[in-house]
Amino acid sequence: GAVVSQHPSWVICKSGTSVKIECRSLDFQATTMFWYRQFPKQSLMLMATSNEGSKATYEQGVEKDKFLINHASLTLSTLTVTSAHPEDSSFYICSATTGANTEAFFGQGTRLTVV
Amino acid sequence: GQNIDQPTEMTATEGAIVQINCTYQTSGFNGLFWYQQHAGEAPTFLSYNVLDGLEEKGRFSSFLSRSKGYSYLLLKELQMKDSASYLCAVKDSNYQLIWGAGTKLIIKP
Repeated sequence: GAVVSQHPSWVICKSGTSVKIECRSLDFQATTMFWYRQFPKQSLMLMATSNEGSKATYEQGVEKDKFLINHASLTLSTLTVTSAHPEDSSFYICSATTGANTEAFFGQGTRLTVV
Repeated sequence: GQNIDQPTEMTATEGAIVQINCTYQTSGFNGLFWYQQHAGEAPTFLSYNVLDGLEEKGRFSSFLSRSKGYSYLLLKELQMKDSASYLCAVKDSNYQLIWGAGTKLIIKP
């Protein structure tokens, strides 16, 4: 199957700093990429949807100025958590699809801890 | 609103069979997915149903009834490594995945 690489796998940062998470589709062109957040023992929560070359569409309640998403190419999307706070500590997962009727391929996730 | 329901937790015995149910109410339907997620890892794709009926893939099978808004994932010959959360997700009319809360499956020897 298609491979989505997410980096880093885990990161610890200080409050107030920014963290960038990369999501790459290695062997296919991802027309759409999704960013999710998952708190312990909870389901995946969609944060935003991004299409290559256009602005991301954020879900209600997700601050677009805090969670910056860039989808500059068909193989790379980045999520930057700005001015991180301890409550931003979570598991962030990206996924990518090639079209509307295809499965979503997931990155391995990034465990963010803000101290 | 959109809603996907699945049991929170199930327990089964190694070697046995378990069925995990999922019911959904969404704005439109463009397919139903089952994913497996081990703790601390990203979900991995198990199955996809868009037409009514049963899809079989090795030890795992998935069933869909669109008229009833119902699906199940059937796991046979359970192994200890099958202990994980199983997520049901539906693509709505905007092709956006709507996720269930997941069913934690505990396998006992």
